[in-house]
Amino acid sequence: DTAVSQTPKYLVTQMGNDKSIKCEQNLGHDTMYWYKQDSKKFLKIMFSYNNKELIINETVPNRFSPKSPDKAHLNLHINSLELGDSAVYFCASSLGVSGSYNEQFFGPGTRLTVL
Amino acid sequence: AQSVTQLDSHVSVSEGTPVLLRCNYSSSYSPSLFWYVQHPNKGLQLLLKYTSAATLVKGINGFEAEFKKSETSFHLTKPSAHMSDAAEYFCVVSDRNTDKLIFGTGTRLQVFP
Repeated sequence: DTAVSQTPKYLVTQMGNDKSIKCEQNLGHDTMYWYKQDSKKFLKIMFSYNNKELIINETVPNRFSPKSPDKAHLNLHINSLELGDSAVYFCASSLGVSGSYNEQFFGPGTRLTVL
Repeated sequence: AQSVTQLDSHVSVSEGTPVLLRCNYSSSYSPSLFWYVQHPNKGLQLLLKYTSAATLVKGINGFEAEFKKSETSFHLTKPSAHMSDAAEYFCVVSDRNTDKLIFGTGTRLQVFP
């Protein structure tokens, strides 16, 4: 009965590889997000989708490509992985577009290590 | 632009003593503010949120926060710390125009027996 789930939980890969992280929410929410947490625990939004449409696209390298096949899923594909991509990636979801009054529910995170 | 500043990167308390985690915000309009907690190797969980209703907000696990507009603060408190409160705490402001959550740098709370 997990609300927001991510797979895999851990991902270790070599520089230059391409990898994907999957996210699913069973809360019936309309909006989903990807956040990156760096080694100093700083969290920053990367993308958000509302009903499969891209709403927020922060200054993220175009090696990162989110894909939302339906409003319950938001996957993150990363091409040509670099050392600096090592981080914990969190998926989140909320009801509606506005984040002001709607709590965002976070997944457990995916720890990506690029060697 | 909106932002939050968490004034302490680390706070250490003894079990049973009060907890105070400080947060100041900057916003051009009435903000929506949140406190999230992250236990080691876990995701983030909402503790409480302020959305311009009551200025004293009660959250889960005995935490509360008071919105003080005159001081642009939203400090998190708990009367009596428990060992299970040891975690990273994030003060967050929501940007209503862009639907973004803007996180503070976090405060690590340690609780000693």
